[in-house]
Amino acid sequence: SQTIHQWPATLVQPVGSPLSLECTVEGTSNPNLYWYRQAAGRGLQLLFYSVGIGQISSEVPQNLSASRPQDRQFILSSKKLLLSDSGFYLCAWRQGRYYGYTFGSGTRLTVV
Amino acid sequence: AQTVTQSQPEMSVQEAETVTLSCTYDTSESNYYLFWYKQPPSRQMILVIRQEAYKQQNATENRFSVNFQKAAKSFSLKISDSQLGDTAMYFCACLNDMRFGAGTRLTVKP
Repeated sequence: SQTIHQWPATLVQPVGSPLSLECTVEGTSNPNLYWYRQAAGRGLQLLFYSVGIGQISSEVPQNLSASRPQDRQFILSSKKLLLSDSGFYLCAWRQGRYYGYTFGSGTRLTVV
Repeated sequence: AQTVTQSQPEMSVQEAETVTLSCTYDTSESNYYLFWYKQPPSRQMILVIRQEAYKQQNATENRFSVNFQKAAKSFSLKISDSQLGDTAMYFCACLNDMRFGAGTRLTVKP
């Protein structure tokens, strides 16, 4: 069966520190992968998506970046966090247009 | 730009009653799929229902059904026999464009 793992679940980081959030998918190959951010009580903002290894499309040019080093691994990074980077980060995958997203359990990031 | 609009930030309903959440969308795609997701307090996103745009028949999943009006680009979610566990944020999505609405916070009151 297909599963998606996202970690860590909670993270508190000081301003200016680096960030690495990881997402992996099991039980499928060549999935479309996505990173979204959700501010408190708000909707989902698309940050990055990837249709294959090394292929990253950015929706929001910020101090965040994404990488896909392996087919089923998607990493969200930052070299220096800002207070405005706080939020709830969701990874998702999709296998074709007919199917909806399957989401990871999310990472609550607080930048202090 | 493609957009998804949910005009009701918050709604409430009495347990066992019926409630309808509204959603409108705009897409340049000719064949697309629409989705409703539920996000309970745990914040896990859960797929509620899916509608294929080329199908005229409205999708139904148990107590959840949609009213899909393609010409009006409207995609509302009806929840029948509301239960306390339905309390959550509900997001409408047009995933061909990777867009979600801003969400509707639904509270089911006992």
